[in-house]
Amino acid sequence: KAGVTQTPRYLIKTRGQQVTLSCSPISGHRSVSWYQQTPGQGLQFLFEYFSETQRNKGNFPGRFSGRQFSNSRSEMNVSTLELGDSALYLCASSLVIGGTEAFFGQGTRLTVV
Amino acid sequence: SQELEQSPQSLIVQEGKNLTINCTSSKTLYGLYWYKQKYGEGLIFLMMLQKGGEEKSHEKITAKLDEKKQQSSLHITASQPSHAGIYLCGAVGNSGYALNFGKGTSLLVTP
Repeated sequence: KAGVTQTPRYLIKTRGQQVTLSCSPISGHRSVSWYQQTPGQGLQFLFEYFSETQRNKGNFPGRFSGRQFSNSRSEMNVSTLELGDSALYLCASSLVIGGTEAFFGQGTRLTVV
Repeated sequence: SQELEQSPQSLIVQEGKNLTINCTSSKTLYGLYWYKQKYGEGLIFLMMLQKGGEEKSHEKITAKLDEKKQQSSLHITASQPSHAGIYLCGAVGNSGYALNFGKGTSLLVTP
C-alpha cells in the first residue's frame, strides 16, 4: 500500500509570507503528527490530529497551525514566516493515536529567505 | 518534559566493525522507538521496545531496553555502508501521545 505522502517536497518562501504543507497518511490511518527538524534543535513535535481534532500540541507559537480533513489528510500552515522556520517538516501517520508504530513521509524542505 | 540524550553524536566506523548507540531518557520510558533517517529524508521505523529487558533484532541490528536505567542501546554487527545515516530514538511522552526524539547519532561507514 502507498506510504505517507507529503507535498511539496521543496519550498522556498520569503519572510513574512505564509505557507501550507500537505500530508496524506497511509490508507486507514487516522492519526497524523507533524514534526519540525532543524540541525540545532533536532526533531521537535508540532501537533497531532486524530479524527479531525487536534489531540496534542507541542511548544510552538500560534503562527503554526494545522487541520485534518474527514479523509484523514492533514495540512499545516505557518503564517508570517521567519528565517528560523527554515526546516524539514515531517509528518507521520499511525493507525490510532499515540504509542504505536508511526510511519513517516519524506518531508517538506522549507527554506525561508 | 522528557528529554532523550543520544550518544555518541556521530560515529565513523570501518566496514565490518561493530558499533553501539545509546539513548538515555530523563524520565520513565513507556515505550522506546528506533528510527533511521537518510540525510534530508523521512524516518524509517526500525523497531519498538516496550518492556524492560526486551531485546529485538532485525537483520544485523539489535536493540535492547533497560527500563531501570531508562536507557536503550542499538547495536549493529558487522557494519556495512548501507547502515550509514542518522539513528534516532523516540519515546512516548507523559501524555501517552506523540513521540519525543533524541538529537540523533550520525553514522558513517567507511570501506
